[in-house]
Amino acid sequence: KNEVEQSPQNLTAQEGEFITINCSYSVGISALHWLQQHPGGGIVSLFMLSSGKKKHGRLIATINIQEKHSSLHITASHPRDSAVYICAVSGNNDMRFGAGTRLTVKP
Amino acid sequence: EPEVTQTPSHQVTQMGQEVILRCVPISNHLYFYWYRQILGQKVEFLVSFYNNEISEKSEIFDDQFSVERPDGSNFTLKIRSTKLEDSAMYFCASSQQILSNQPQHFGDGTRLSIL
Repeated sequence: KNEVEQSPQNLTAQEGEFITINCSYSVGISALHWLQQHPGGGIVSLFMLSSGKKKHGRLIATINIQEKHSSLHITASHPRDSAVYICAVSGNNDMRFGAGTRLTVKP
Repeated sequence: EPEVTQTPSHQVTQMGQEVILRCVPISNHLYFYWYRQILGQKVEFLVSFYNNEISEKSEIFDDQFSVERPDGSNFTLKIRSTKLEDSAMYFCASSQQILSNQPQHFGDGTRLSIL
């Protein structure tokens, strides 16, 4: 069983839709990270959280430590949001990754 | 904004050859990482490095691999005798603090192709 599970694997949305990507993990963690991987391969860190909720622009990330679950929400999605979104969990100095969710937002 | 830079962007090497992938982390960062992503698969942690020594390493990081910070700016990953299965994208990352306290910044990756 993977230590970090994401759903869905693939997601297609129409521009403007509200999007949710889910992440569950089975190990103890110090923090959970949401990353965005662009079609060219580059990776950008979107959020790091260990409790509660964080918001940045149209992106919101939440985590429930007791349930070992996190969600990434995108409000008013746009074609430029099309990318692979990766959930990862870290101890102090290592990281375990989910398989990613490929998001396609159509105009 | 400061960036993590990786060179080369694409490296093609014959099987059995040694390869060195280079990274220049952000200048005031203290923690350094290497990851790899085999085509079509998830990103995998290889190693973390702090204070001139390895902090953590994964099962993938066997005796074929080594890391070094030869001077104040570069952070390198060496693969001693490459195998076909080493073909992957290799990402370097750095952070100011440990991963539980601060997110990391990633380079754009080096695509390693073993022939």
